[in-house]
Amino acid sequence: GAVVSQHPSWVICKSGTSVKIECRSLDFQATTMFWYRQFPKQSLMLMATSNEGSKATYEQGVEKDKFLINHASLTLSTLTVTSAHPEDSSFYICSAPRAGVWEQYFGPGTRLTVT
Amino acid sequence: AQTVTQSQPEMSVQEAETVTLSCTYDTSESDYYLFWYKQPPSRQMILVIRQEAYKQQNATENRFSVNFQKAAKSFSLKISDSQLGDAAMYFCAYTSGGGADGLTFGKGTHLIIQP
Repeated sequence: GAVVSQHPSWVICKSGTSVKIECRSLDFQATTMFWYRQFPKQSLMLMATSNEGSKATYEQGVEKDKFLINHASLTLSTLTVTSAHPEDSSFYICSAPRAGVWEQYFGPGTRLTVT
Repeated sequence: AQTVTQSQPEMSVQEAETVTLSCTYDTSESDYYLFWYKQPPSRQMILVIRQEAYKQQNATENRFSVNFQKAAKSFSLKISDSQLGDAAMYFCAYTSGGGADGLTFGKGTHLIIQP
């Protein structure tokens, strides 16, 4: 099956700093990628859709100036959490649909801890 | 907006027995996809089974099968011959837009397998 990677798998940062999370499709091209957030013992919530060559679209209630998304190429999307605060601590997961296949391939997730 | 409801926060089943996880959804779309994902402690999302709304036949994947009731907007997952490795969180998910949109997840069901 198709492979999606994320880097880093775990990051700890200080409050007020920014942190970047990468999502890569390793063996297919993805014009669209999705970013989800999962709080402990909760479900996944769609944050935004990353579009190659255009601006990301954000779900209602997600601050676009705080969660910057850049779809730099057909295999890479990045999520930057700016001015991170402890309440941003969460598990961030990306996914990418593969053209012609009605399935989304998920990355392994990134655990963000803000101290 | 679409909603996905899983009313069973936790289910327990004896090894080798059969268990059914419930899911209902609400949508005004006619073309959509439904999924069951498994999330083990590693937190990697694993696709268990997929159902296209236009297909009347229930999907099956080895020990996993669904009961898709389109009129009732119900999409339950049956796991036969339960194995210890089936223990995980199970999420029901929905997407429309030809399968290229983000997923809406239910709150999940924690499945425990009793040896």
